[in-house]
Amino acid sequence: DIQMTQSPSSLSASVGDTVTITCRASQSINAYLNWYQQKPGKAPKLLIYATSSLQSGAPSRFSGSGSGTDFTLTISSLQPEDFATYYCQQSYSIPLLTFGPGTKVDIK
Amino acid sequence: EVQLVESGGGLVQPGRSLRLSCAASGFTFDDYAMHWVRQAPGKGLEWVSGITWNSGYTGYADSVKGRFTISRDNAKNSLYLQMNSLRVEDMALYYCAKDMGRNLVRGVIEYWGQGTLVTVSS
Repeated sequence: DIQMTQSPSSLSASVGDTVTITCRASQSINAYLNWYQQKPGKAPKLLIYATSSLQSGAPSRFSGSGSGTDFTLTISSLQPEDFATYYCQQSYSIPLLTFGPGTKVDIK
Repeated sequence: EVQLVESGGGLVQPGRSLRLSCAASGFTFDDYAMHWVRQAPGKGLEWVSGITWNSGYTGYADSVKGRFTISRDNAKNSLYLQMNSLRVEDMALYYCAKDMGRNLVRGVIEYWGQGTLVTVSS
């Protein structure tokens, strides 16, 4: 089974900062990597799919990159509404999907 | 507008069964694969099970294999999860989720319901 890890597990940042979250797969997943945002008490929302494709409606300050086993989610100019938990997820071994443990972004 | 509305959650004793349902609307249900994803209180997301558009293939997480069964009724635009032999560790918010792929499984979850809470306790 493919395992996903994320770092850091949490971070504190200020509005306007650029934030980078890393996701690593236990084996190559090509570009089959997706990112979700979850706010407290809400369902997750798809932000980025296939490593770097921005989901319709997601702000352009979110971007993704990577390939193989190492991936990043970058939030440029962090906004107040971006404070949330972010999950990566592999879709290489469909239909068996795996999520990372999450990265919580909170206000410094 | 895509809507996924889960129901069927509740309090159940360990070892008992529960059946979750998800009513889908706002899209052509029988064109898309569907999934169940759960989240234990204060924990991360865990994929539970998925089913292709025509029920031709189903998949399960190791943690539920042999105990849970996913199914769908395309005529009723509904997704189901039959959960047997429930354990304390199955306690979670269960989300119904729509795959992005049309007539194929992409494994990208485009839409999520609001979830139904399953509590397993004696």
